[in-house]
Amino acid sequence: DAGVIQSPRHEVTEMGQEVTLRCKPISGHDYLFWYRQTMMRGLELLIYFNNNVPIDDSGMPEDRFSAKMPNASFSTLKIQPSEPRDSAVYFCASGQGGNTIYFGEGSWLTVV
Amino acid sequence: QKEVEQNSGPLSVPEGAIASLNCTYSDRVSQSFFWYRQYSGKSPELIMSIYSNGDKEDGRFTAQLNKASQYVSLLIRDSQPSDSATYLCAVTVSGGGADGLTFGKGTHLIIQP
Repeated sequence: DAGVIQSPRHEVTEMGQEVTLRCKPISGHDYLFWYRQTMMRGLELLIYFNNNVPIDDSGMPEDRFSAKMPNASFSTLKIQPSEPRDSAVYFCASGQGGNTIYFGEGSWLTVV
Repeated sequence: QKEVEQNSGPLSVPEGAIASLNCTYSDRVSQSFFWYRQYSGKSPELIMSIYSNGDKEDGRFTAQLNKASQYVSLLIRDSQPSDSATYLCAVTVSGGGADGLTFGKGTHLIIQP
């Protein structure tokens, strides 16, 4: 079975540009999570969805960040405008019914 | 604010010895506890989950939970060089990961051949 699929795997962009990260969860999973990982702050939960509905976005750092899940097989995390401090690894994860969550391979974002 | 604390390490253990990793958490209502392993440049992968006080064994891994002390640990017996990685402790207040996991910053474990 395919795992959680994220794209792009690596992105380098200039400050002020819009960044869109994409995620395809594991088929049948009803929970989807976006995490951000940095050396300083570790893994932080940004937002999560249940059945495509955002449940908790309290971890989203500011209005520059937005996330959508238009259907059960696709989600996006958008940063507009991007800043150097947004440089991090962004992980998408999915799970079913509150059980184990599985991580994608991550999107490595560098904002210069 | 939920907090999960881990010693960042590095923790250096000789091959074949027991590696002991520790974690404390601040939210008393936490119900579920997980250990993830993360190799450099890779994503976290689940190695153990524990929900009740006491010990839970899975192969060379043993997770220990003490809710009264708000303490979780992971023991790795017969440590192998392939166990060298960062180990992340995670907790959640739900019966699983339904409300998202709160992670510690991880302990970097080095198994020396």
